[in-house]
Amino acid sequence: EAQVTQNPRYLITVTGKKLTVTCSQNMNHEYMSWYRQDPGLGLRQIYYSMNVEVTDKGDVPEGYKVSRKEKRNFPLILESPSPNQTSLYFCASSPYGGYGYTFGSGTRLTVV
Amino acid sequence: QKEVEQNSGPLSVPEGAIASLNCTYSDRGSQSFFWYRQYSGKSPELIMSIYSNGDKEDGRFTAQLNKASQYVSLLIRDSQPSDSATYLCAVNFGNEKLTFGTGTRLTIIP
Repeated sequence: EAQVTQNPRYLITVTGKKLTVTCSQNMNHEYMSWYRQDPGLGLRQIYYSMNVEVTDKGDVPEGYKVSRKEKRNFPLILESPSPNQTSLYFCASSPYGGYGYTFGSGTRLTVV
Repeated sequence: QKEVEQNSGPLSVPEGAIASLNCTYSDRGSQSFFWYRQYSGKSPELIMSIYSNGDKEDGRFTAQLNKASQYVSLLIRDSQPSDSATYLCAVNFGNEKLTFGTGTRLTIIP
């Protein structure tokens, strides 16, 4: 089944403790992206990647890191999480630029 | 700042009627436009894409694009209770980023 897989689905952590949210797609898509979704603010892009080793900032990149060492994987790293990063996170992939994204199931992160 | 604007709703429509959802965007040079449906607690699901002026129909859904007016809409015919969801408009502004509106919450009343 063609899909984008994120893990974990739910995560509660403490301020400052480094964490990684994994994302993998099995559709051989070139583009991958991370979004966060907050009430009233909608989906905002954090980072995106156009191919292996090619990444760029989205609209809200502060406090996040990404890497794209393999085409299928695009992990999101929070090196020192803070409470304002509590949010619902989505990973998404697309076959090429200008095409619609397929979204993963989401990761609900709470930072206390 | 490139923006996508939607009325947040809620929009209430009787079952069987036509639901009309609207979206405006800030950059006349935009090329790709998408409508996503998001059920509560779920991830966004792509339901329509449109790239050129005019109408595009897919089953009960019709997307309409007017680039001169910077306006894209989604019509849902014969609305069903299962259509109750938040509908997100997304625009590719040509910079490899997909920008979303905040969404319109649609409720279909049986």
